[in-house]
Amino acid sequence: GAVVSQHPSWVICKSGTSVKIECRSLDFQATTMFWYRQFPKQSLMLMATSNEGSKATYEQGVEKDKFLINHASLTLSTLTVTSAHPEDSSFYICSARDENRGTYNSPLHFGNGTRLTVT
Amino acid sequence: RKEVEQDPGPFNVPEGATVAFNCTYSNSASQSFFWYRQDCRKEPKLLMSVYSSGNEDGRFTAQLNRASQYISLLIRDSKLSDSATYLCVVNGGYGGSQGNLIFGKGTKLSVKP
Repeated sequence: GAVVSQHPSWVICKSGTSVKIECRSLDFQATTMFWYRQFPKQSLMLMATSNEGSKATYEQGVEKDKFLINHASLTLSTLTVTSAHPEDSSFYICSARDENRGTYNSPLHFGNGTRLTVT
Repeated sequence: RKEVEQDPGPFNVPEGATVAFNCTYSNSASQSFFWYRQDCRKEPKLLMSVYSSGNEDGRFTAQLNRASQYISLLIRDSKLSDSATYLCVVNGGYGGSQGNLIFGKGTKLSVKP
């Protein structure tokens, strides 16, 4: 089945530093990938849609200068949390769908998530 | 009205019990529906898609009622390993949000020995 790999699985960083999270589709190409964030006991909230070869689309309330997204190839999207603060501590998850199986009605496959702790 | 609404639970059931979860969604234009399960501190994993005619996968049965805009999941013969949070997921409908999936907050299930 479709596999999405996310790295790192967890990271602890100091306030003010930047953290890069990678999301790779291992056995399929994805022109679109989605970045979600989940706070404890909350639902997944879409942060942005990453588009290969063009700018990401950010959801309302998500600062694009703080959460930099780069989708440089058909299998790799990165999310960089710049100048991280403790309130950015969360579970970040990327996802993609195998577009060969249909664009909108096929399920999303998730990376294993990155647990970010900012001290 | 929230886009996707679920009873958060928790549902505490004994092994072997049958348990049902419901979910309502607000966007009548939504076209695809899924149930995911999420274990504590893990990413969501697809449990099953939900088809208009209803579908079954082993002990799991999913139903869709478009008229009432709700989805259900039935788990028969519950196992300890079924303990997780079950997420009702609906696509965003037409237009720019179509590719996006909207997640409910999930229903927590705890199966006890």
